[in-house]
Amino acid sequence: EDQVTQSPEALRLQEGESSSLNCSYTVSGLRGLFWYRQDPGKGPEFLFTLYSAGEEKEKERLKATLTKKESFLHITAPKPEDSATYLCAVQATGGSYIPTFGRGTSLIVHP
Amino acid sequence: EAGVVQSPRYKIIEKKQPVAFWCNPISGHNTLYWYLQNLGQGPELLIRYENEEAVDDSQLPKDRFSAERLKGVDSTLKIQPAELGDSAVYLCASSQDRGELFFGEGSRLTVL
Repeated sequence: EDQVTQSPEALRLQEGESSSLNCSYTVSGLRGLFWYRQDPGKGPEFLFTLYSAGEEKEKERLKATLTKKESFLHITAPKPEDSATYLCAVQATGGSYIPTFGRGTSLIVHP
Repeated sequence: EAGVVQSPRYKIIEKKQPVAFWCNPISGHNTLYWYLQNLGQGPELLIRYENEEAVDDSQLPKDRFSAERLKGVDSTLKIQPAELGDSAVYLCASSQDRGELFFGEGSRLTVL
C-alpha cells in the first residue's frame, strides 16, 4: 500500500527565515510526486511534479527536490503570503494512477 | 481558461436528509475525481471517472453515497441519508492524461 508521511505537521517561521518541508513516501514504483498548496477554505493548487530521483523544480521562493525515498520543499526567505498548508501526493506505476496524499504541513510565516 | 467549478460552496443539513454536490471539470479533462477532506487531513479518494466510467470506487460508501458522470463531463455526488460523520469538505478535481490534478474550491458539508 502506498504511504505518504509529511513532516513537520506545523511550522512557524519568521519572514525571511528559510526552511524545508519533508515528504517521505513508500510506493512500489514512482510515476510522479506532486506538491500542492492549499489556502484555508480553498481547494489544493498544483505547484510541482517530480518524476525521478535527482530532479529539482523551482517557482519563486519554492524549490522541490526528490530522492528515492523522500522529497523536500525548500522555502527561501519566505513571506507572510507563503502561509498555507502544503500537501504532497504520490502516484504509483502499474496501477490506477490514483494520487495518494499526505496529511500536509501547515506553514505560518510571521511578518 | 475556466477552472474546476463546484457547487454549492456550503451546505448545512439535518442528519438523514439528502444532499447533492455538482462539479464541472476543466474542458478537455477526461479524468474526474471526487475526494473527501476532513480537517487537518489530506484528501482521500471517493471515486474516479475515466470519461463516463467509474473506474475506482472501492472507497465510496455505496450504501449511502452515489455518483454519476453523464456524457463524460459534469458529475454529481449524492449522499442519502446523510450522517453526522459525513461533515467534511468534498473536493472535485480533474486531470488530463492522469497527470497533475486541478481542484475546485470544494463543497463544505455540515450535518447537524
